[in-house]
Amino acid sequence: RKEVEQDPGPFNVPEGATVAFNCTYSNSASQSFFWYRQDCRKEPKLLMSVYSSGNEDGRFTAQLNRASQYISLLIRDSKLSDSATYLCAGFGSARQLTFGSGTQLTVLP
Amino acid sequence: NAGVTQTPKFRILKIGQSMTLQCAQDMNHNYMYWYRQDPGMGLKLIYYSVGAGITDKGEVPNGYNVSRSTTEDFPLRLELAAPSQTSVYFCASTPSGMGGELFFGEGSRLTVL
Repeated sequence: RKEVEQDPGPFNVPEGATVAFNCTYSNSASQSFFWYRQDCRKEPKLLMSVYSSGNEDGRFTAQLNRASQYISLLIRDSKLSDSATYLCAGFGSARQLTFGSGTQLTVLP
Repeated sequence: NAGVTQTPKFRILKIGQSMTLQCAQDMNHNYMYWYRQDPGMGLKLIYYSVGAGITDKGEVPNGYNVSRSTTEDFPLRLELAAPSQTSVYFCASTPSGMGGELFFGEGSRLTVL
């Protein structure tokens, strides 16, 4: 089983829609989790960190469920500019950040 | 603010050639990483370093070597290039080993023919 798994998508949603991505992790020792955004042919950039209490930044909300070992990302009121690949990542005990394979989102006009 | 700088941005190698991908950061970060990303896939860790003089293998280290003689530089060496090493290589750094944001370079696109 992969350490971090994501549904690759693609998710095609209309502008203004709400979309949610889930990411499961297998290493229960993982301490910290993140969502990165990667535009086509660009480097990943941090979108937001994921805290046990949840984390909200504007239209984006990230949640962590330790009991079920998954993290989620909710995007409300999708914009065309949200089209990208979203990578979840977790820091394990070996101080390595492990990435999922990414979920591709396309927001349609 | 340069951040993480990778060179070259593009390179074509012939099978069996060797080369070094350069990575430098000017943020005084202790932790540095090399990832590779194949088309449509996530990032796989090749090697990482927690400080000058200390390196360790990641998930896919075969065919690569690294060194970390200074805090700033973390070059990745490809010996005897193979087509399976065709990929985009990202270098990243972070100030701490847990919970910190990774800062990525723009990537180096390598094709082995």
